[in-house]
Amino acid sequence: NAGVTQTPKFRVLKTGQSMTLLCAQDMNHEYMYWYRQDPGMGLRLIHYSVGEGTTAKGEVPDGYNVSRLKKQNFLLGLESAAPSQTSVYFCASSYTLPGLAGVGVETQYFGPGTRLLVL
Amino acid sequence: QKEVEQDPGPLSVPEGAIVSLNCTYSNSAFQYFMWYRQYSRKGPELLMYTYSSGNKEDGRFTAQVDKSSKYISLFIRDSQPSDSATYLCAMSGLGAQKLVFGQGTRLTINP
Repeated sequence: NAGVTQTPKFRVLKTGQSMTLLCAQDMNHEYMYWYRQDPGMGLRLIHYSVGEGTTAKGEVPDGYNVSRLKKQNFLLGLESAAPSQTSVYFCASSYTLPGLAGVGVETQYFGPGTRLLVL
Repeated sequence: QKEVEQDPGPLSVPEGAIVSLNCTYSNSAFQYFMWYRQYSRKGPELLMYTYSSGNKEDGRFTAQVDKSSKYISLFIRDSQPSDSATYLCAMSGLGAQKLVFGQGTRLTINP
């Protein structure tokens, strides 16, 4: 059971280049998320998906696109990279823990991260 | 104003000390409260979660929630150098699909 894996681990891009970050999970989780983490800013949600074929915008979606064609994969795309997109990107998938009144709480299992540097 | 506020630190304490990490929140709809631990160059991992006011213990760790004050804490007893990490609080409402994270507090335990 590999959990959540991210590809690549590190990448350097030039301004204007495009790339796709791949997230894969083998836990059959429905929900998946993409975050970016910057110093002093904490984790900020970019996009998320509540199931195969569905995606939604998070807190900072501009400049990114996502796709969830298969349940186990969640792709994050940068069409035209900018230096402001230099960050560490984390993917997560969600699992349910016991919660209040029989309603489970969704908590998240994170991947190891992708470090992206845009020059 | 952010929904969840957390002092980013850094916080540095000697080995064996009791550590207190805190978050405040403004959204009264939050019902679930979590603490994640993130080691350097790793992804966050769930440390504890709770949905009740009061204390929840797990070994050297105690999570405390005061819903009336909208204040949560994580206490670490007998702190060890291996506890050095960034600790993030996270919260969600009933049936929510997303978590709201604090900024994270960077903690260093000095031998």
